[in-house]
Amino acid sequence: EVQLVESGGASVQPGGSLRLSCGGSGFPFNIYAMTWVRQAPGKGLEWVSSITAAATHTFYADSVRGRFTISRDNSNNTLSLHMNGLRAEDTAIYYCAKLDYGEGPFDFWGQGALVTVSS
Amino acid sequence: EIVLTQSPDFQSVAPKEKVTITCRASQSIGGRLHWYQQKPDQSPKLLIKYASQSISGVPSRFSGSGSGTDFTLTINSLEAEDAAAYYCHQTSSLPHTFGQGTKLEIK
Repeated sequence: EVQLVESGGASVQPGGSLRLSCGGSGFPFNIYAMTWVRQAPGKGLEWVSSITAAATHTFYADSVRGRFTISRDNSNNTLSLHMNGLRAEDTAIYYCAKLDYGEGPFDFWGQGALVTVSS
Repeated sequence: EIVLTQSPDFQSVAPKEKVTITCRASQSIGGRLHWYQQKPDQSPKLLIKYASQSISGVPSRFSGSGSGTDFTLTINSLEAEDAAAYYCHQTSSLPHTFGQGTKLEIK
């Protein structure tokens, strides 16, 4: 059974930093691209960032480029999102998800980690 | 950026009725359009991939169609458990984008 478990969600002040982690199990982690998607309270889904299976390429939404960094450790089946310069508008539930083959849909999602940016 | 526009934003439907949700893309995306269901306080779940391909474990009452810029999610014989928000999603080009969502209420 595929499982994705996020951790690291917290409440931080504007300008602060946070690192989210996502542990994967039940599938060969090292052959699938992974992604982060967020959902602000009461709002829709917003793609944040993706990383290829071997971590050779990373991609970001304009809203987070230069502030967020996606990475992965295939030896430990872990996906990370380092978030710097946090703003109130970054407040959201952050989901990690596994991509289907290639540039496919997001076929499995974690339960989400809540990030709150407030003074 | 490809914009996906869903309609309607909200729909209230009686059990056993048929539901149709549409998703229109601002430019052609071929068949790289996927549908998700999100129930309250849950993470999204993939329902249909590549416009019309079914997903293992998803009830057969869910189906998808379309290509290019116009897509449809159909739910036949609605059940109470189908109360949720539904989102379309394109992976034709970056940034990946989602529709604004359609909230489905069961009467």
